[in-house]
Amino acid sequence: QVQLQESGPGLVKPSETLSLTCSVSVGSISSYYWTWIRQPPGKGLEWIGYIYYSGSTRYSPSLKSRVAISVDTSKNQFSLTVTSVTAADAAVYYCARGLRGYTGVYEYWGQGTLVTVSS
Amino acid sequence: EIVLTQFPGTLSLSPGDRATLSCRASQSVSDNYLAWYQQRPGQAPRLLIYGASSRATGIPDRFSGSGSGTDFTLTISRLEPEDFAVYYCQQYGSSSTFGQGTKLEIK
Repeated sequence: QVQLQESGPGLVKPSETLSLTCSVSVGSISSYYWTWIRQPPGKGLEWIGYIYYSGSTRYSPSLKSRVAISVDTSKNQFSLTVTSVTAADAAVYYCARGLRGYTGVYEYWGQGTLVTVSS
Repeated sequence: EIVLTQFPGTLSLSPGDRATLSCRASQSVSDNYLAWYQQRPGQAPRLLIYGASSRATGIPDRFSGSGSGTDFTLTISRLEPEDFAVYYCQQYGSSSTFGQGTKLEIK
């Protein structure tokens, strides 16, 4: 069973950079699309973007100027950075793996990590 | 960006009932690239349906998806107690976006 685990600071100051890592266990990071999705408390899901194991990426148009997703195949990890955060970036951040052959169908999810934005 | 609108916002039904959840797209979803997810409180979403009508691995056959173009439906034929949750549709034909969710609650 594929397992994903998000890690990173739970508290980020406004205007600073949010950085999260997703560690993948049981299985290789190769040959799949890997994504980040977030959910503000009490609200719906927002797609942030994905990365293919080869390094190609695609981002949400509304976040594109502030986000970057990278992959480290040697560590079986991929990461998210969001720059210039505001209160609107406070959310539970999920990492997920795409169904084989699909960019946008998410079969396996991490448990999520809550990020608070506050000074 | 394709906007997905789900309705109703809340659906109140009893175990054993049939549930019909709708998702309407602001423009046609290419190749019917439409998925449905279930989210229980405090949990990550769970993939139910992709390609508008294909059930994901391990999903009971009481869950079914249908539709094409701009109008899609998730049907739960006979509600079990564990089915009461929030359901999201998602399109992945043009970038990706989620609907705002339908809460399925016990009547």
